Amino acid sequence: DTEVTQTPKHLVMGMTNKKSLKCEQHMGHRAMYWYKQKAKKPPELMFVYSYEKLSINESVPSRFSPECPNSSLLNLHLHALQPEDSALYLCASSYQRDTQYFGPGTRLTVL
Amino acid sequence: KNEVEQSPQNLTAQEGEFITINCSYSVGISALHWLQQHPGGGIVSLFMLSSGKKKHGRLIATINIQEKHSSLHITASHPRDSAVYICAVRLYGGSQGNLIFGKGTKLSVKP
Repeated sequence: DTEVTQTPKHLVMGMTNKKSLKCEQHMGHRAMYWYKQKAKKPPELMFVYSYEKLSINESVPSRFSPECPNSSLLNLHLHALQPEDSALYLCASSYQRDTQYFGPGTRLTVL
Repeated sequence: KNEVEQSPQNLTAQEGEFITINCSYSVGISALHWLQQHPGGGIVSLFMLSSGKKKHGRLIATINIQEKHSSLHITASHPRDSAVYICAVRLYGGSQGNLIFGKGTKLSVKP
């Protein structure tokens, strides 16, 4: 299994909603990443988890809250988002510092 | 000046043509990645290089560490190769996940 899965594929939410994005991999990777990608721009790193511990937080606003319940699962909890947070959210995983495998992304629209 | 520069930004080719996409970087790196992103989302990792040349099917990636330059070649291009190709580098000594992305090259292959 060389796949990173993400759910949901699409999400529309209001600014007062609370929602969560989910990412899963079963490749035994111990590093997992969240990226944000705006249209026609390269991905921007948000968070890195290494061995289920948060190792990098790229100054992301607290309305984004990551969680790594176990080595296969990565969540991104969303609360009180702004319309400018609308983007494609990509999850990736890697075995330590090797090739990153990306998921298909969740396209988020904040109304 | 961006640390990772790609050229061209946009490329249109006829089916069957040989295609080259270039990536130059200005920092010391431990690895360079070539990624492919089709419209609508997910990113596929094509190659990770730290020296020399790699080949996979019709795709060839080369890197010249001294010149800080990498190229991605596509032989016998096909409309299904139409995508955005992104070069990303990991800084030498950089922390896990710290990829610096180029702005991407949008390739359109016409039948």
